Amino acid sequence: EVQLLESGGGLVQPGGSLRLSCAGSGFTFSSYAMTWVRQAPGKGLEWVSVISASGGTIYSADSVKGRFTISRDNSKNSLFLQMNSLRAEDTALYYCAKGLYTVTTYYFDYWGQGTLITVSS
Amino acid sequence: DIQMTQSPSSVSASVGDRVTITCRASQGISSWLAWYQQKPGKAPNLLIYAASTLQSGVPSRFSGSGSGTDFTLTISSLQPEDFATYYCQQTNSFPLTFGGGTKVEIK
Repeated sequence: EVQLLESGGGLVQPGGSLRLSCAGSGFTFSSYAMTWVRQAPGKGLEWVSVISASGGTIYSADSVKGRFTISRDNSKNSLFLQMNSLRAEDTALYYCAKGLYTVTTYYFDYWGQGTLITVSS
Repeated sequence: DIQMTQSPSSVSASVGDRVTITCRASQGISSWLAWYQQKPGKAPNLLIYAASTLQSGVPSRFSGSGSGTDFTLTISSLQPEDFATYYCQQTNSFPLTFGGGTKVEIK
């Protein structure tokens, strides 16, 4: 059974940093692109960043470029999101999700339960 | 960036109704489109990808169509478990973008 488990969320002050983790199991983690998608309270979905299976290709939304960094450790079946210079508008539930196929596509078939980031003083 | 516009933003329907949700891209995206269902307090669930391919395990009452800029998600006979919010997502180019969502509510 495919499982994705996010962790690392919490309350942080504006300008602060957090590192999110996503542990994958039940599939060959190193074969799939992975992504982070966020959802502000009561709002829609916003794509944040994606990383290829090997980690060699990364794309990010303009809203987080220069502040957030996606990475992965395939030896540990783990995905990360380093979040720096956090702003109030980054407050959201952050989901990690798995690419649908081993061939790079950007459809996401399994999602974690999300981890909540609250940026507030 | 490609903007994805969904309509309506909400729809009230009864069990057994046929429901159609539209998603329009601000520029052509071929068939690079997915539909997701999200229930309150839950993660999104992939329903359809490549505009019309039903994801494994998704009931056949869900169908998708369209290409280029105009796309449709149809639920042929609404079931109680289908009351949720639906999102389209384009994967033609970065940044990946989602529509604003369509909430399907009980009439």
